[in-house]
Amino acid sequence: EDKVVQSPLSLVVHEGDTVTLNCSYEVTNFRSLLWYKQEKKAPTFLFMLTSSGIEKKSGRLSSILDKKELFSILNITATQTGDSAVYLCALNYGGATNKLIFGTGTLLAVQP
Amino acid sequence: DAMVIQNPRYQVTQFGKPVTLSCSQTLNHNVMYWYQQKSSQAPKLLFHYYDKDFNNEADTPDNFQSRRPNTSFCFLDIRSPGLGDAAMYLCATSSNSYTQYFGPGTRLTVL
Repeated sequence: EDKVVQSPLSLVVHEGDTVTLNCSYEVTNFRSLLWYKQEKKAPTFLFMLTSSGIEKKSGRLSSILDKKELFSILNITATQTGDSAVYLCALNYGGATNKLIFGTGTLLAVQP
Repeated sequence: DAMVIQNPRYQVTQFGKPVTLSCSQTLNHNVMYWYQQKSSQAPKLLFHYYDKDFNNEADTPDNFQSRRPNTSFCFLDIRSPGLGDAAMYLCATSSNSYTQYFGPGTRLTVL
């Protein structure tokens, strides 16, 4: 069965800390791996990764995909309270319809 | 701005009373999705439309139906809501960009 697992399930850090969120998967033949940030509303898109070993970066956030070891990480440096959210990893495996399978999410709480 | 819009943002209904949730998009995407997300859980795909073709997930209860009268609009009908149907319902759209764009969601409460 296709599966996406995220770890840790939850994490509490202080402002300024660096965090690494993990996403491992057991899915074959997927098109892309996506990271979303979800606060108390709908998920907002962060990154799309299609190639192994190429880092995507946006400000303090970065992400990389390892297709050999079947995982991705999302790094957040110099965390701020506004980074507090659930971070969702999803795999696009649905061919032309871009269907997603979501991971369980990591709840990040950044304390002042 | 092009976007995905959901109405209402909050919906309260009574046990067994039919309810319809609405989604519209200005992105002109050909695929539209409905997800159910319960507290502390990942979004769960209920069904999606590829153009006019409806695709139901195998474990979506019969209580949930959907309509897509045109490219821009998609509706989620819950025929007889139960207490277990209380959740956030998310609409998303996609074209060929390998990603999905989500609306703000409708939070459904069942009394």
